[in-house]
Amino acid sequence: AQSVAQPEDQVNVAEGNPLTVKCTYSVSGNPYLFWYVQYPNRGLQFLLKYITGDNLVKGSYGFEAEFNKSQTSFHLKKPSALVSDSALYFCAVRGGGGSYIPTFGRGTSLIVHP
Amino acid sequence: EAQVTQNPRYLITVTGKKLTVTCSQNMNHEYMSWYRQDPGLGLRQIYYSMNVEVTDKGDVPEGYKVSRKEKRNFPLILESPSPNQTSLYFCASRRGDQPQHFGDGTRLSIL
Repeated sequence: AQSVAQPEDQVNVAEGNPLTVKCTYSVSGNPYLFWYVQYPNRGLQFLLKYITGDNLVKGSYGFEAEFNKSQTSFHLKKPSALVSDSALYFCAVRGGGGSYIPTFGRGTSLIVHP
Repeated sequence: EAQVTQNPRYLITVTGKKLTVTCSQNMNHEYMSWYRQDPGLGLRQIYYSMNVEVTDKGDVPEGYKVSRKEKRNFPLILESPSPNQTSLYFCASRRGDQPQHFGDGTRLSIL
């Protein structure tokens, strides 16, 4: 069975500082990995994905994530946080080879302080 | 504009009164799914559909039904709602290996 762990319920960071939101996963075969962001009263919005290729993936709004196969991690990062980045972030994984069911983490609330 | 539309956005109802939450997408996506979001539990998949007339259970299907008679629509049906189905519900769609597009959610309160 596939699973995703987001070990931090909340991450606090000062504006202008780098941020990291952690995600580790377990899946059979090659993973398809995604990050989504949720703003209040809205659905999830896609940020970035890793399917194959370079381990460093760049996405929307200046976010990036690094795929680490040996550590089964896919941490979300941004060099300089903005107050407007404050939101709920979800990591998701599904197996390749035709698997259609993604598994989402519990979400991490990112709070960026002015 | 590409979008997934859910209705209603908010609903307060009573135990046992059948309800339907509609979901429609205008992107011709073959894959659609329903999730519920609960505090501390993240998103859990209720049902999914890989194409017209093809549906299957997700992780938490009990108490829910779905149908996929047309490619664009994927309604979620609660035949006899109970208070433990009070939650925030999301519909999503996607094509192939692409990321999912989510609706803005439906907040259900069942008294």
